[in-house]
Amino acid sequence: EIVLTQSPGTLSLSPGERATLSCRASQSVSSSSLAWYQQKPGQAPRLLFYGASSRAAGIPDRFSGSGSGTDFTLTISRLEPEDFAVYYCQQHGSSPLTFGGGTKVEIK
Amino acid sequence: EVQLLESGGGLVQPGGSLRLSCAASGFTFNTFVMRWVRQAPGKGLEWVSTIGDSGDTTLYADSVKGRFTISRDNSKSTLYLQMNSLRTEDTAVYYCAKKVVPGTALGPSDHWGQGTLVTVSS
Repeated sequence: EIVLTQSPGTLSLSPGERATLSCRASQSVSSSSLAWYQQKPGQAPRLLFYGASSRAAGIPDRFSGSGSGTDFTLTISRLEPEDFAVYYCQQHGSSPLTFGGGTKVEIK
Repeated sequence: EVQLLESGGGLVQPGGSLRLSCAASGFTFNTFVMRWVRQAPGKGLEWVSTIGDSGDTTLYADSVKGRFTISRDNSKSTLYLQMNSLRTEDTAVYYCAKKVVPGTALGPSDHWGQGTLVTVSS
């Protein structure tokens, strides 16, 4: 089973600032099969990226995904008020599918 | 528009059973892998089970193997999760989710239902 570790646990930033979220895998993720999801309170997760850097439909270009092997990054270039949420990474290249513990991006 | 609507959650005693349903619309249900993912209160996401487009492939997390059964009725565009021998640690919101593209059991999910809460407590 691939264990995903996200850091930091909480990121306190102001609107307009840049957010950098990390996801590290316990072993190499095949074919960069890494996805990112955003979840707001009381809502279902929303797919942001898959295949490490393929943007899902309707995701603004201030979001970007990168990385390969065991180290992946989600970057939000300039935080908008609606971006404050919890973000999860997920590896989707091997079974069982696993999620990271999440990074909460909160308003400073 | 893709829609996934879960139902069947509720309060059940430890050792009890519950059957969740997920009614799908807005896409060709019988060509997509479907899965269940759960989230315990205040916790992260946990994959539970996956089923292939025809129902012949099923995968389970170790935590539910032997207790939960995933199935689908493609004629009704409905996904199911039969949960037996429920434990307090199964308490969670259960989401059904559709895989992004047709194909293998692996891959991310691009559409999720709003979830149904299962509470296991005496």
